Amino acid sequence: TQLLEQSPQFLSIQEGENLTVYCNSSSVFSSLQWYRQEPGEGPVLLVTVVTGGEVKKLKRLTFQFGDARKDSSLHITAAQPGDTGLYLCAGARYNNNDMRFGAGTRLTVKP
Amino acid sequence: ETGVTQTPRHLVMGMTNKKSLKCEQHLGHNAMYWYKQSAKKPLELMFVYSLEERVENNSVPSRFSPECPNSSHLFLHLHTLQPEDSALYLCASSQAQTDTQYFGPGTRLTVL
Repeated sequence: TQLLEQSPQFLSIQEGENLTVYCNSSSVFSSLQWYRQEPGEGPVLLVTVVTGGEVKKLKRLTFQFGDARKDSSLHITAAQPGDTGLYLCAGARYNNNDMRFGAGTRLTVKP
Repeated sequence: ETGVTQTPRHLVMGMTNKKSLKCEQHLGHNAMYWYKQSAKKPLELMFVYSLEERVENNSVPSRFSPECPNSSHLFLHLHTLQPEDSALYLCASSQAQTDTQYFGPGTRLTVL
């Protein structure tokens, strides 16, 4: 069982559609990160959220950290083929000296 | 460019070869990590170094041997690997173990 559960595992949509992916846990996190990874490359950091209820926007991407700091969502508006990739969330748990990763959501945006 | 470099980017080796993967970070971070990423599997944390000391070793076979000579460099020495060890090997660094990690581009390893 993953500490951070990401859903859906796979998502295939048409260009222009909106989508939301989720990162859930029963643990509380002091911070949470979202990364995007393209095939054959390393994950690239998109955002870090640290405050419960925090919302951050990065162009067409909106990230939200849950009020209880146990979950997060990533919403993409008007998806483009360039958004295709593996989206990973990672979190630092309170009282634990580590950072853990979810299994990821693999997004495909078709032109 | 994330400030973390890895060489080589691609490596093909036989089961009896010995090779090493290299990672270098230019971010002044104190923690470095090795991850294995196999096709359609989650990231697997292999080793964690903090201030050049190994702090985590997640039941990794002894045919993988890490080395951290200083806070900027991390190596993964490979010996007598198996075909199932073929994967993307990622290096990352962070200021502290609970801080955001920055990844290198990875080494795509194929074991024949």
